[in-house]
Amino acid sequence: KQEVTQIPAALSVPEGENLVLNCSFTDSAIYNLQWFRQDPGKGLTSLLLIQSSQREQTSGRLNASLDKSSGRSTLYIAASQPGDSATYLCAVKPSSASKIIFGSGTRLSIRP
Amino acid sequence: NAGVTQTPKFQVLKTGQSMTLQCAQDMNHEYMSWYRQDPGMGLRLIHYSVGAGITDQGEVPNGYNVSRSTTEDFPLRLLSAAPSQTSVYFCASQRHNSGGNTDTQYFGPGTRLTVL
Repeated sequence: KQEVTQIPAALSVPEGENLVLNCSFTDSAIYNLQWFRQDPGKGLTSLLLIQSSQREQTSGRLNASLDKSSGRSTLYIAASQPGDSATYLCAVKPSSASKIIFGSGTRLSIRP
Repeated sequence: NAGVTQTPKFQVLKTGQSMTLQCAQDMNHEYMSWYRQDPGMGLRLIHYSVGAGITDQGEVPNGYNVSRSTTEDFPLRLLSAAPSQTSVYFCASQRHNSGGNTDTQYFGPGTRLTVL
């Protein structure tokens, strides 16, 4: 059974720092992995989608990497800003199922 | 494109009442799904559909029914509401090909449900 874990559950860093959010999954047989952002009281917004054949994806200050063999993905945020404060979730699409499995998220706070 | 829309945004029910949460998408996506989000538990999949006429259970299907008569709509029905169903409900859609691969998932704004 695929399980997705995000540690830590919460993270607070000062503005301007580069930071890394972690996502781990137990079964390496996946189609893709997606990173989302959720603001309080809002829905989820897709940030980056990495297909199983890819190693990383970049969008602006965000870079997501995927290492299937070790069951890990990281979301790198460069030069963090207070507007980056939100909960970040990763989700895995297993190869053997239509269901998408979510991690419980990391709540990020950027201190001005 | 309106993307994924959900109605209502807020709802209060009494125990035992039934209701339908509406979800629609205008992107011609095959795959649609319903999640509930509870504090400390992340998103849990309730039901999903890979196309019109096809639905399947997710992780927490009990107490909920779905149907998919059209590509655009995927309503979620609460048969007899219970306080344990107090949650925020999200509908999502994405492209889904015959090989089972999926594209970016798009979420609706959510429905905040309280069952008294």
